[in-house]
Amino acid sequence: GDSVTQTEGLVTVTEGLPVKLNCTYQTTYLTIAFFWYVQYLNEAPQVLLKSSTDNKRTEHQGFHATLHKSSSSFHLQKSSAQLSDSALYYCALSGIASSSFSKLVFGQGTSLSVVP
Amino acid sequence: EAAVTQSPRNKVTVTGGNVTLSCRQTNSHNYMYWYRQDTGHGLRLIHYSYGAGNLQIGDVPDGYKATRTTQEDFFLLLELASPSQTSLYFCASSARDWGPYEQYFGPGTRLTVL
Repeated sequence: GDSVTQTEGLVTVTEGLPVKLNCTYQTTYLTIAFFWYVQYLNEAPQVLLKSSTDNKRTEHQGFHATLHKSSSSFHLQKSSAQLSDSALYYCALSGIASSSFSKLVFGQGTSLSVVP
Repeated sequence: EAAVTQSPRNKVTVTGGNVTLSCRQTNSHNYMYWYRQDTGHGLRLIHYSYGAGNLQIGDVPDGYKATRTTQEDFFLLLELASPSQTSLYFCASSARDWGPYEQYFGPGTRLTVL
């Protein structure tokens, strides 16, 4: 089946240093789109950025990600982490199936903790 | 701005109790979803719907029923609540079920089953 893997459950980074959250996937969908959702403490998940174009960098709020179909990855990166970036991050895959309804496939989530 | 509301925001019930969680969206979206969120498991899809009267089974449907009465309203029913259903429940809506159409989430309902 389709799956999204986020290998790190918790990432801790010092403020001002770069951060990378890993996301890889397996899918049989013919056409796919990817999302990074961010969930701040006691809030609902919300989209941080999205992409459906191979090898194109997408940026939002200082974060960036590039969909690489050749390596089945959509890693999230930021050059300088801020304390306010501390949150739970989900990578998610959306695709069109040959039949039935499609679902958003979420990874397990990575908790990012930015420390002074 | 998309709007998804949920009620109640917090609910405590006892084992065997009857619980209904409500969700309303004013986005004119066809697709609506119910998720539960638990530490170590992330977001798991319970049920979803593509329109009034339609219901699709998600990945963790056992112990849950759902009903979509209108385009705006989607309900999650726990008829015999169990402690294992203690969780944070999110409702979401989207314009399409695939492609670059993001899901908009409600604020969540925290359910505790004693």
